[in-house]
Amino acid sequence: DVKVTQSSRYLVKRTGEKVFLECVQDMDHENMFWYRQDPGLGLRLIYFSYDVKMKEKGDIPEGYSVSREKKERFSLILESASTNQTSMYLCASSLPSTVNTEAFFGQGTRLTVV
Amino acid sequence: RKEVEQDPGPFNVPEGATVAFNCTYSNSASQSFFWYRQDCRKEPKLLMSVYSSGNEDGRFTAQLNRASQYISLLIRDSKLSDSATYLCVVSAPLSGNTPLVFGKGTRLSVIA
Repeated sequence: DVKVTQSSRYLVKRTGEKVFLECVQDMDHENMFWYRQDPGLGLRLIYFSYDVKMKEKGDIPEGYSVSREKKERFSLILESASTNQTSMYLCASSLPSTVNTEAFFGQGTRLTVV
Repeated sequence: RKEVEQDPGPFNVPEGATVAFNCTYSNSASQSFFWYRQDCRKEPKLLMSVYSSGNEDGRFTAQLNRASQYISLLIRDSKLSDSATYLCVVSAPLSGNTPLVFGKGTRLSVIA
């Protein structure tokens, strides 16, 4: 069974903390993605990576960075957490983009910044 | 104009009803199209891909109209278990690697 695993389901952090969200996939997928999902705004792409050490900005990269040192792991970093980064964070992975390539999601991390 | 637009709903339908969701996309170069389903407090999961010729999977039928840049999902004989949010998803070409672009979702409640 295919699997994308996010390190935490729930996380509470203080404003100004550096936060690491980890994502691991066991499908040998080249592509990995970080989205955030907020009520009324849907899923918005933060960053994605199509290869080890490669990264591309998505629609809302401000306040975030990413790291992909190994193919199976894609980390999202909040350099200095702020309350407006309270959200549900979803990691996904997929094969290289071809027609009708499915993305598989992790279970999500609900982050609260206080 | 937003890249992928859906009616947010909610659609409240009785069991056994037929319900249809529509979705429009703005990028005419889009190549791949999907419907995902997301249950409350869960991650999105692929429901079905959408092919140019249209495709059916049991009670679910998906259609694509490239000329109008329009995708639809039809659910026949609705079940209580169909209650969920349905996300229209489009692959937006970007330098050969194409992250998925999600609509905001349409919420469906099937009522006994």
